[in-house]
Amino acid sequence: QVQLVQSGAEVKKPGASVKVSCKASGYTFTSYGISWVRQAPGQGLEWMGWISAYNGNTNYAQKLQGRVTMTTDTSTSTAYMELRSLRSDDTAVYYCARILKGYFQHWGQGTLVTVSS
Amino acid sequence: EIVMTQSPATLSVSPGERATLSCRASQSVSSNLAWYQQKPGQAPRLLIYGASTRATGIPARFSGSGSGTEFTLTISSLQSEDFAVYYCQQYNNWPPDTFGQGTKLEIK
Repeated sequence: QVQLVQSGAEVKKPGASVKVSCKASGYTFTSYGISWVRQAPGQGLEWMGWISAYNGNTNYAQKLQGRVTMTTDTSTSTAYMELRSLRSDDTAVYYCARILKGYFQHWGQGTLVTVSS
Repeated sequence: EIVMTQSPATLSVSPGERATLSCRASQSVSSNLAWYQQKPGQAPRLLIYGASTRATGIPARFSGSGSGTEFTLTISSLQSEDFAVYYCQQYNNWPPDTFGQGTKLEIK
């Protein structure tokens, strides 16, 4: 069965960086893209960007351009999302999701990132 | 960017009754519309894609309809486990993927 297992919760200070991992199993990793979505406390879902696990092509949300980098390691079937220059409003649960034809077919369990001084 | 608007923000329905949730797009998204269910402390779960196709394992009481700019998610007979927040998402004009703000379905 398809599984996306994310790394554990993080606490970071403003200005720091965080890197969240998403390990895929149960399917051919390079056959699907991975998107990252975040959810601030009590808020809705915000798309952050997408990466092709096939060739590494990326597309990022405009508001995060310059602060976010998405990568994959095909040898371990793992996707990564790094967010730099963290601010308090980056506090959120971060999800990875496998993409099929544009919709989010399978989701990771989420990683809480807390930004606090 | 396409804006997705869901209504109502909160819907109170009794178990066993029908719930109808709406989602409107600021411009046509054809049938490239998905619905997700999210329970507290859990990741969202795909319910419907292509506006009306149920995802694997989704009960038949969930149905989706619409195309263009107006969409509906109907839950025919609410079960206790259906009380959650529901999001619509368009994937016709990408990037970005855009979500509605959600409808909270609560027990009346």
